Amino acid sequence: LAKTTQPISMDSYEGQEVNITCSHNNIATNDYITWYQQFPSQGPRFIIQGYKTKVTNEVASLFIPADRKSSTLSLPRVSLSDTAVYYCLVGRYNNNDMRFGAGTRLTVKP
Amino acid sequence: EAGVVQSPRYKIIEKKQPVAFWCNPISGHNTLYWYRQNLGQGPELLIRYENEEAVDDSQLPKDRFSAERLKGVDSTLKIQPAELGDSAVYLCASSADRAGEQFFGPGTRLTVL
Repeated sequence: LAKTTQPISMDSYEGQEVNITCSHNNIATNDYITWYQQFPSQGPRFIIQGYKTKVTNEVASLFIPADRKSSTLSLPRVSLSDTAVYYCLVGRYNNNDMRFGAGTRLTVKP
Repeated sequence: EAGVVQSPRYKIIEKKQPVAFWCNPISGHNTLYWYRQNLGQGPELLIRYENEEAVDDSQLPKDRFSAERLKGVDSTLKIQPAELGDSAVYLCASSADRAGEQFFGPGTRLTVL
């Protein structure tokens, strides 16, 4: 399983764009990159998943460079309610086998 | 559609007592996961089921933890006897076969005194 490295914490202000980068140097050819969000007292919630280049949905964008050794989750115009822990996971899509790291604790300030 | 259901939400027991957690996954989801999450850490996978079969239980402390998923639907995770270090949130998740997205329940917060 590919190991992931993320910043422990980040601070931002309402209305700003937030970029959280995850390093996964030993990502395998068949591995996908998935991001989850977790609020206090709740289970994690799926945000976005991608394999290469860029993926965008109504919540976030995921940027993956050509070498796929890192990825960046981009949250546009964050609000206070985006304060949460964000996890980057790497694993094979059809294997349902991924591991959570410690995540990045994002704090959005007014 | 109902999400993943877990019960109880909270449980307080004394050490050496047994405890059980129950999970009902989303209907039709073949894959079921049990995680343990300690304060300030990410979820740690304990066991993963594909239907009735436990396909990954390498992180399950088998001396005191057990799990079952009869009929490939509901699942129960048991600890006997509980230790102080077992205090954590126990999360259940499910996913459709061959899909990457896991759906998590609210978790059971266990406190061992």
